[in-house]
Amino acid sequence: RKEVEQDPGPFNVPEGATVAFNCTYSNSASQSFFWYRQDCRKEPKLLMSVYSSGNEDGRFTAQLNRASQYISLLIRDSKLSDSATYLCVVNVNTGNQFYFGTGTSLTVIP
Amino acid sequence: GAVVSQHPSWVICKSGTSVKIECRSLDFQATTMFWYRQFPKQSLMLMATSNEGSKATYEQGVEKDKFLINHASLTLSTLTVTSAHPEDSSFYICSARWGNIESEQFFGPGTRLTVL
Repeated sequence: RKEVEQDPGPFNVPEGATVAFNCTYSNSASQSFFWYRQDCRKEPKLLMSVYSSGNEDGRFTAQLNRASQYISLLIRDSKLSDSATYLCVVNVNTGNQFYFGTGTSLTVIP
Repeated sequence: GAVVSQHPSWVICKSGTSVKIECRSLDFQATTMFWYRQFPKQSLMLMATSNEGSKATYEQGVEKDKFLINHASLTLSTLTVTSAHPEDSSFYICSARWGNIESEQFFGPGTRLTVL
């Protein structure tokens, strides 16, 4: 079983729409969670960390559900510039390892 | 944010040769550096984790004798792909972190390796 699983999409949504991505992880010992954004042929960049209490940054909201072992990312009022691949990243403390999901492709359509 | 550079950005080599890729943290000291590989339309796959001054920890299935990692200083890690073959052609990305596991990783721009 993969450490991290994501729906690869693609998600094609109109501007202004709200879109949500989920990501499940298999290791209950996972300690840190992140959402990264990767534009085509570019390196990933941190979008936001995911805290147990949930956190919000502008139009982006991240949540963690430890009981069900998933994290989510909600994007409100989608912009064209939000088009990218969103990667779910989980850090397992034992071994200091980071695991990436396959990424979810989002295209925001005018 | 912190800056991580990689060199070269693109390399083409003949089968059987060795290729060295450098990863540098330009404005911070990286206690830990990571090496990833990304095939087209796939996610990043962690290859190995290295801490300055100690041996790298390789992920299962990654040959340590083929992918040599050296992390000689807090700002430089190198990945050498030895005796490269066409199946090693991929996008190699490094990342660096200065803090604990909750700290952000900063990624280099990646190196595209093509083995003929």
